[in-house]
Amino acid sequence: DADVTQTPRNRITKTGKRIMLECSQTKGHDRMYWYRQDPGLGLRLIYYSFDVKDINKGEISDGYSVSRQAQAKFSLSLESAIPNQTALYFCATRGTGSEKLFFGSGTQLSVL
Amino acid sequence: GEDVEQSLFLSVREGDSSVINCTYTDSSSTYLYWYKQEPGAGLQLLTYIFSNMDMKQDQRLTVLLNKKDKHLSLRIADTQTGDSAIYFCAESIPGGNTPLVFGKGTRLSVIA
Repeated sequence: DADVTQTPRNRITKTGKRIMLECSQTKGHDRMYWYRQDPGLGLRLIYYSFDVKDINKGEISDGYSVSRQAQAKFSLSLESAIPNQTALYFCATRGTGSEKLFFGSGTQLSVL
Repeated sequence: GEDVEQSLFLSVREGDSSVINCTYTDSSSTYLYWYKQEPGAGLQLLTYIFSNMDMKQDQRLTVLLNKKDKHLSLRIADTQTGDSAIYFCAESIPGGNTPLVFGKGTRLSVIA
């Protein structure tokens, strides 16, 4: 089983719809991150969390929100999806004092 | 702020060596990373180096760090078709309180 699991793997939705992407981890890490990947732009940080009650904005948080429901779960929401949010979304985790970031397999989101 | 730059494409013949280059801007003590992304998959940590080192070797991979020029390179010896992927350079400040900053990724194509 994967240590960092993202659901769904693929999602197609329409403009204006609310979408939630979920991430769960079995690594026991306290730090969790959401990135989006666009061709030629690399990875950009959306939100990150160091603990259940800690939420921090990243480079491109506008149009997104997150919820850290438990140490193992970190979900990303698009309240009203728009086409330029079409991208590959990655969740990642990191343990305290560790320099290693572990990624999920990604969610490909298409907004029509 | 931190910035990480790398070229977008590299093409090599099977059996040759590949060298992927990266430059970064943060002069603080830092870890520097190489991640590999295969098609349809998340990012996998290949190797990382602390800024007080200038070289790290792991089987076919050699990482060279020129701290004065803020230049990092990844050399893959005897490149194979399975090495075809996108390679991301990333940096962070030790302690884990600052999220990793990624470059845009270098797409390595290996020609048989």
